[in-house]
Amino acid sequence: KAGVTQTPRYLIKTRGQQVTLSCSPISGHRSVSWYQQTPGQGLQFLFEYFSETQRNKGNFPGRFSGRQFSNSRSEMNVSTLELGDSALYLCASSFGTPAYEQYFGPGTRLTVT
Amino acid sequence: AQSVTQLDSQVPVFEEAPVELRCNYSSSVSVYLFWYVQYPNQGLQLLLKYLSGSTLVKGINGFEAEFNKSQTSFHLRKPSVHISDTAEYFCAVIRAGNMLTFGGGTRLMVKP
Repeated sequence: KAGVTQTPRYLIKTRGQQVTLSCSPISGHRSVSWYQQTPGQGLQFLFEYFSETQRNKGNFPGRFSGRQFSNSRSEMNVSTLELGDSALYLCASSFGTPAYEQYFGPGTRLTVT
Repeated sequence: AQSVTQLDSQVPVFEEAPVELRCNYSSSVSVYLFWYVQYPNQGLQLLLKYLSGSTLVKGINGFEAEFNKSQTSFHLRKPSVHISDTAEYFCAVIRAGNMLTFGGGTRLMVKP
């Protein structure tokens, strides 16, 4: 079975721009969660989608948004990028709830200059 | 609210020595506990999980962890480490839905 894939793997953007990251979960998994990883704040939960509905949202500003498609693929969008948005963005998929096993993708490394 | 504390940010150890990575959690309700490993430039990989039952949990790569409810701890152990175990290790608990709350991470540095 193919693992979780994330595209692109690396991205460089300029302050003020927007960016869209993509995540394809493992086949059959309906839940997709997004996490931000930075050296200062560690791993922080962004949001979770299950069957195209956002179920939980972390403590991030409205510039961070996401969606899930009917095939369970998910995208997250960050508008009006700030330097502090530079991070590794990780996506995780799981079959159901609670997620006894979440499978993580390799992440997208976003650098904002 | 649940929180997770990893008591050591870095743990240096010589190859073939035993290691323990410490994790404490705070929660007023039953929890599901996890240990993940992250190798450089990679995502997270699940090492082991505690859901219920036996308090000693065995995982991949020879790791094990013990759930101690009275001490609210879930320490990770390995009797003999290898150079290839050099990585960052994260303890985590499940919150609402599938939301993982992570500790700050422990960098395990195995020296030859």
